[in-house]
Amino acid sequence: DVVMTQSPLSLPVTLGQPASISCRSSQSLVYSDGNTYLNWYQQRPGQSPRRLIYKVSNRDSGVPDRFSGSGSGADFTLRISRVEAEDVGVYYCMQGTHWPRTFGQGTKLEIK
Amino acid sequence: EVQLLDSGGGLVQPGGSLRLSCAASGFTFSDYALTWVRQAPGKGLEWVSSISKTGANTYYADSVQGRFTISRDSSRNTLYLQMNSLRAEDTAVYYCMRGYSAPDNWGQGTLVTVSS
Repeated sequence: DVVMTQSPLSLPVTLGQPASISCRSSQSLVYSDGNTYLNWYQQRPGQSPRRLIYKVSNRDSGVPDRFSGSGSGADFTLRISRVEAEDVGVYYCMQGTHWPRTFGQGTKLEIK
Repeated sequence: EVQLLDSGGGLVQPGGSLRLSCAASGFTFSDYALTWVRQAPGKGLEWVSSISKTGANTYYADSVQGRFTISRDSSRNTLYLQMNSLRAEDTAVYYCMRGYSAPDNWGQGTLVTVSS
């Protein structure tokens, strides 16, 4: 199975400051169709997760442009340019290239 | 608007069975693969099972292989998860998702509790 390793697991951030979450996979996530199926999800307290970023760097409709995704192969990053109060929650990366699908452990973002 | 409505959860004894449903609306059901994911209390997300657009291909996590069966009914726009031989470690909120490579929309989740 592909192991997804996120860091840090806890991320205290001051409002207005940037934040960055790393996600590394145990093997390349490049699929035979040329796409890299690395996705990011946000789970706010008490809510279902929602997708923020798909295929490494494509932001979903309605997601603020302060969120961005980057990376390639087996090394990926989610960045928040300026953290706002509504960004509190847990962030997960997920790979959709290999079976079984796997998630990272989750990174809990809190306001300092 | 895309909607996925999860239902069917509840309290069941170890060894028992339960069938979860996910009613889909707002999109062409047969155009999308579908996925079940679960989240144990206070824990992270775990992929459980996926099914292709036509239902011809199904995929399972090792932890549920042989006990759970995923299926879909295009006439009802509904995804199912038949869960048999349930164990305490299957206790979780179960979510259905649209897609399986880059799943986008999620249901609201349904809680399954396995306990005597």
